[in-house]
Amino acid sequence: EVQLLESGGGLVQPGGSLRLSCVASAFTFSTSAMSWVRQAPGKGLEWVSLISGSGDHTYYADSVKGRFTISRDNSENTLYLQMNSLRAEDTAVYYCAKDGPSRGYYFDYWGQGTLVTVSS
Amino acid sequence: EIVMTQSPATLSVSPGERATLSCRASQSVSSSLAWYRQKPGQAPRLLIYGASTRATGIPARFSGSGSGTEFTLTISSLQSEDFAVYYCQQYSNWPLTFGGGTKVEIK
Repeated sequence: EVQLLESGGGLVQPGGSLRLSCVASAFTFSTSAMSWVRQAPGKGLEWVSLISGSGDHTYYADSVKGRFTISRDNSENTLYLQMNSLRAEDTAVYYCAKDGPSRGYYFDYWGQGTLVTVSS
Repeated sequence: EIVMTQSPATLSVSPGERATLSCRASQSVSSSLAWYRQKPGQAPRLLIYGASTRATGIPARFSGSGSGTEFTLTISSLQSEDFAVYYCQQYSNWPLTFGGGTKVEIK
């Protein structure tokens, strides 16, 4: 059974940094594009970033471009999100999500999420 | 950016009845459209991709239709687990974007 387990969330002050991790199992991680999707409290879903299976290609939402960096370690089946210059509006549950099997970037498996709270 | 608009925001339906949810794209996304269901306190679950293909393990009461800018998710007979929030997502263009969601509540 595919599993995605996020960690690294917590309380951080505005302007601070945090690194999220997502450990994957039960699928061929190195051939799957992976994304981070967030959900602010009581709000809808917002795609944040995607990285190709090889790690050669990355994409970002404008709201996080220049502040967040997505990366992966295929030897450890782990996805990362380095978040710098955090703002109050970055407060959300952050989900890692696996790319679906057919052409195109939709998400067939999701982790349970990790909560990031940006507040002084 | 492609804006995805879902309607209605809230849909009140009785168990066993049919529910029809709509999703409109601000420009054509062809068939690059997915639907998700999110129960309270849980992660979203993929229901439909390619506008009309059911994901693995999704029961036949869920069906998707449409192409271009107009899409529909139909739940033929609502079960208790279907009272949740539903999101559409386009994956035709960057950035990937979601609709604002439709909450299906018990009437």
